[in-house]
Amino acid sequence: ETGVTQSPTHLIKTRGQQVTLRCSSQSGHNTVSWYQQALGQGPQFIFQYYREEENGRGNFPPRFSGLQFPNYSSELNVNALELDDSALYLCASSPPREYNNEQFFGPGTRLTVL
Amino acid sequence: SQQGEEDPQALSIQEGENATMNCSYKTSINNLQWYRQNSGRGLVHLILIRSNEREKHSGRLRVTLDTSKKSSSLLITASRAADTASYFCATDGWSGGGADGLTFGKGTHLIIQP
Repeated sequence: ETGVTQSPTHLIKTRGQQVTLRCSSQSGHNTVSWYQQALGQGPQFIFQYYREEENGRGNFPPRFSGLQFPNYSSELNVNALELDDSALYLCASSPPREYNNEQFFGPGTRLTVL
Repeated sequence: SQQGEEDPQALSIQEGENATMNCSYKTSINNLQWYRQNSGRGLVHLILIRSNEREKHSGRLRVTLDTSKKSSSLLITASRAADTASYFCATDGWSGGGADGLTFGKGTHLIIQP
């Protein structure tokens, strides 16, 4: 069973640029959630995708957007990058909804905005 | 926003001792989960306790939940150097009708001294 994978591992961008982060969910999982973790903080929920549609969203502006594909993999897109977007971005997949909302996290993508 | 608050923020103990971490939260929950994170990497799920459960064990881990006080504790017995990590509680208010994601606290940084 393959776990959650994310790419790239690290990324450096400059303010105003756009970035795309990728996530492959664990086999059998149809729900993907994205979190932002600033240094020294706990993860903050960005949004969740279920059956290729956004299913829930945290307190993040519209320049944070995403996609989920038929194979349940997902992308996180951030436009007009700001310095405060520098963080560890975590993707988590979870099994079908009749189970507990236990989430399985990938290793994360470290984004630095200069 | 952060729902949970872990206490203490940092804890340093000798190998072999027990470590206790506490978590408080604000709103009603479906379940509460504990995660471990090593050196800013992905989160590893440790244990989930449902809102109708009071205590749960998994190996050297013991979790309690008091919904009347909106608090939980994680006990790690016979600590090992490999237990050095940050520990987060996460609450799930998911009602099945939509997704709010997990709400994490700021974490307890645990250091096990050999």
